[in-house]
Amino acid sequence: AQSVTQLGSHVSVSEGALVLLRCNYSSSVPPYLFWYVQYPNQGLQLLLKYTTGATLVKGINGFEAEFKKSETSFHLTKPSAHMSDAAEYFCAVRRNQGGKLIFGQGTELSVKP
Amino acid sequence: GAGVSQSPSNKVTEKGKDVELRCDPISGHTALYWYRQRLGQGLEFLIYFQGNSAPDKSGLPSDRFSAERTGESVSTLTIQRTQQEDSAVYLCASRSRGQDTQYFGPGTRLTVL
Repeated sequence: AQSVTQLGSHVSVSEGALVLLRCNYSSSVPPYLFWYVQYPNQGLQLLLKYTTGATLVKGINGFEAEFKKSETSFHLTKPSAHMSDAAEYFCAVRRNQGGKLIFGQGTELSVKP
Repeated sequence: GAGVSQSPSNKVTEKGKDVELRCDPISGHTALYWYRQRLGQGLEFLIYFQGNSAPDKSGLPSDRFSAERTGESVSTLTIQRTQQEDSAVYLCASRSRGQDTQYFGPGTRLTVL
């Protein structure tokens, strides 16, 4: 069975600092991996995804993630946090049948001035 | 073009009442998903529609939950005899055939008193 674990339900960084949100997955087949962001009172917005090819994936708003098969990880990073990055971030793996997504519990990112 | 829309945005109901939630997917998207997001938790898959195929209902938590979809357009999620544990944000997503990305609506916040 596929599953996703996000380490840390809440992460706080200072503005300008590195953002690192951790995601580990379990999958018996090559996974399709996604990061979504949810701003307050809004729906989920796709940040980036890994399907095949290059393992370092660049997304919107300066975020990127690296697929590391040996570590079963897909951590999300951004070199310099901005106040507008404060939101909840969800990592997800796609089930092969039907494409439904299995989500992690989410990580709330706070950015301090 | 227009994104996924959901209505109502908020719904407050009394325990034991039935509720109906609506989702309008992006035009031309053949796949439609319903997810539930309880407070402080990740998203749980509920049900998946793909074209005219039989829906995947494997995520529905009880027989009080049902959903319908008219062709490749509107879907309604019905919860009968609502319970307090049904309180959550219900999110709808749609996906184009052959694509990986699900596009989410803003959700319906359901509160059962």
